[in-house]
Amino acid sequence: EVQLEESGGGLVKPGESLRLSCAASGFTFSTYSINWVRQAPGKGLEWVSSISSSDTYIYYADSVKGRFTISRDDAKNTLYLQMNSLRAEDAAVYYCARDGKHTAGRYFDYWGQGTLVTVSS
Amino acid sequence: QSALTQPASVSGSPGQSITISCTGTSSDVGGYNYVSWYQQHPGKAPKLMIYDVTNRPSGVSNRFSGSKSGNTASLTISGLQAEDEADYYCSSYTSSSSEVFGGGTKLTVL
Repeated sequence: EVQLEESGGGLVKPGESLRLSCAASGFTFSTYSINWVRQAPGKGLEWVSSISSSDTYIYYADSVKGRFTISRDDAKNTLYLQMNSLRAEDAAVYYCARDGKHTAGRYFDYWGQGTLVTVSS
Repeated sequence: QSALTQPASVSGSPGQSITISCTGTSSDVGGYNYVSWYQQHPGKAPKLMIYDVTNRPSGVSNRFSGSKSGNTASLTISGLQAEDEADYYCSSYTSSSSEVFGGGTKLTVL
């Protein structure tokens, strides 16, 4: 059974940093692209970042470019999101989501349950 | 990248069919057959319902179908059931290799 479990969320002040983790199991983690998708309270979904297998391709939404860094440790079956210079508008539930495609395009076939990030002074 | 445009809400009675539209541009919806749809119940993670415009993942009811014309994609749910009441989001791959979601549509089963 495919499982994704996020952790690392919490309350931080504007300007501070936080690192999220996503532990994967039930599939060959190293062969899949994995994404971060966030959802602000009461709002819609927003794609944040994507990392392909072997770190070949890494992409970011404009809203986080230069502040967030996605990475993966295939030996630990774990995805990370380092978030620096956090802003109030970064407050959201952060989901990790597996990309079901191995060719062009993208879709998210498995999702974790999310971890909540709160940014407030 | 601007969000795709979806109606804020749609409603239908049990047994009826409804369609949710998702409008983008030639740089996303219109340029690729990489539109997907997600169902989200309150407090839950999203669930993939349709991918690559028309494909249903294993386990998803055939009451759900997708289509696309030009820059607009659509999700149709036939034979509405109470458990279909949820938020629905479309998503599209873009020309900058990013992903863009729609604003979401709240489906109410009357």
